Amino acid sequence: QVQLVQSGAEVKKPGASVKVSCKASGYTFTGYGISWVRQAPGQGLEWMGWISTYNDNTNYAQKLQGRVTMTTDTSTTTAYMELRSLRSDDTAVYYCARTRGYSGYEYYFDYWGQGTLVTVSS
Amino acid sequence: QSVLTQPPSVSAAPGQKVTISCSGSSSNFGNNYVSWYQQLPGTAPKLLIYENNKRPSGIPDRFSGSKSGTSATLGITGLQTGDEADYYCGAWDSSLSANWVFGGGTKLTVL
Repeated sequence: QVQLVQSGAEVKKPGASVKVSCKASGYTFTGYGISWVRQAPGQGLEWMGWISTYNDNTNYAQKLQGRVTMTTDTSTTTAYMELRSLRSDDTAVYYCARTRGYSGYEYYFDYWGQGTLVTVSS
Repeated sequence: QSVLTQPPSVSAAPGQKVTISCSGSSSNFGNNYVSWYQQLPGTAPKLLIYENNKRPSGIPDRFSGSKSGTSATLGITGLQTGDEADYYCGAWDSSLSANWVFGGGTKLTVL
């Protein structure tokens, strides 16, 4: 069965970086992209970006350009999301999601990880 | 302020039908697919509808989706208490920012 298992909760200080991992299993890793979506406490969902696990092409949300980097390791079927220059409003649960479609208009997210809470606090 | 507009809350009694609207614009709904997600309290979102009106395997036919022009609708019939959740629509936005966008979410209460 398809599973996406994320790394554990993190507490970071403002200005630091965080790297969250997402270990995929139960399907051909390079056959589907991975998107990252975050959810601030009590708020809605915010798409952060997408990475092709086939050729590492990326598509980042304009709001996060320059602060976010998404990578994959096909040898371990793991996707990573690094967010730099953390601020208090980056406090959120971060989800990875398997993504169908290669072009944006085709995207949908059919399996999700369990989420990773990242807390940014001094 | 979300690009896609959903009502903050809807409610209905068990067994009844409810619809959740999602209003967008030509830059997102115009030529792009809409999908819908259910988020039960304290859990990750789950795909309910993709490509406007298709259900993934395992999603009961009580859930349906439609899209017309710049709006989309999620319908749920035969409401159950287990359907109490937040529901989100989403679509690609082809404007200058070129982002995937979600609606603000709708809290469904089954009375």
